[in-house]
Amino acid sequence: DTEVTQTPKHLVMGMTNKKSLKCEQHMGHRAMYWYKQKAKKPPELMFVYSYEKLSINESVPSRFSPECPNSSLLNLHLHALQPEDSALYLCASYDYRGNEQYFGPGTRLTVT
Amino acid sequence: AQSVTQLGSHVSVSEGALVLLRCNYSSSVPPYLFWYVQYPNQGLQLLLKYTTGATLVKGINGFEAEFKKSETSFHLTKPSAHMSDAAEYFCAVTISNTGNQFYFGTGTSLTVIP
Repeated sequence: DTEVTQTPKHLVMGMTNKKSLKCEQHMGHRAMYWYKQKAKKPPELMFVYSYEKLSINESVPSRFSPECPNSSLLNLHLHALQPEDSALYLCASYDYRGNEQYFGPGTRLTVT
Repeated sequence: AQSVTQLGSHVSVSEGALVLLRCNYSSSVPPYLFWYVQYPNQGLQLLLKYTTGATLVKGINGFEAEFKKSETSFHLTKPSAHMSDAAEYFCAVTISNTGNQFYFGTGTSLTVIP
């Protein structure tokens, strides 16, 4: 299994809602990432988990809350988002041995 | 600190023509370099990577790139463009195998003209 899966594929939420994005990989990778990507822009790093511990938090607003319950699963909890948070949210995992980052297909988030 | 510059946010080539996408990097330590491709509404797919060893690396879909330390470049080429190559391409750099942070270029949108 060489893929990163993300659910849901699309999400529309109001500014008062609470929702979660899920990312899963079964490749044994010990680093996982959340990126935010706006149209025609490169991915912007949000969070990095290394061995299930948060190692990088790129000054992301507290309305985004990451969670890494185990080495295969990464969640992003969303609360009180703003319309400007609408974007493609990408999850990735990193293979330390092969020096490769594997991306999931993303969740297209729209905040209304 | 590491950074990546991609010259040309939009590149157009005719089908069958050479594809050349430019990437220059800045790194205070030996870099690991990557090219990714992104099709609309999809995630990023690794095309090829340079870590150590041979400076000419071959990737998927007929792409290759050459690491030139003296020019701090890692340009992506393909001898003959295909319509299916139309996509967004990102160059990225990281240091060693820490896996902590990847620095992406601003991307190049490739259009292939029939």
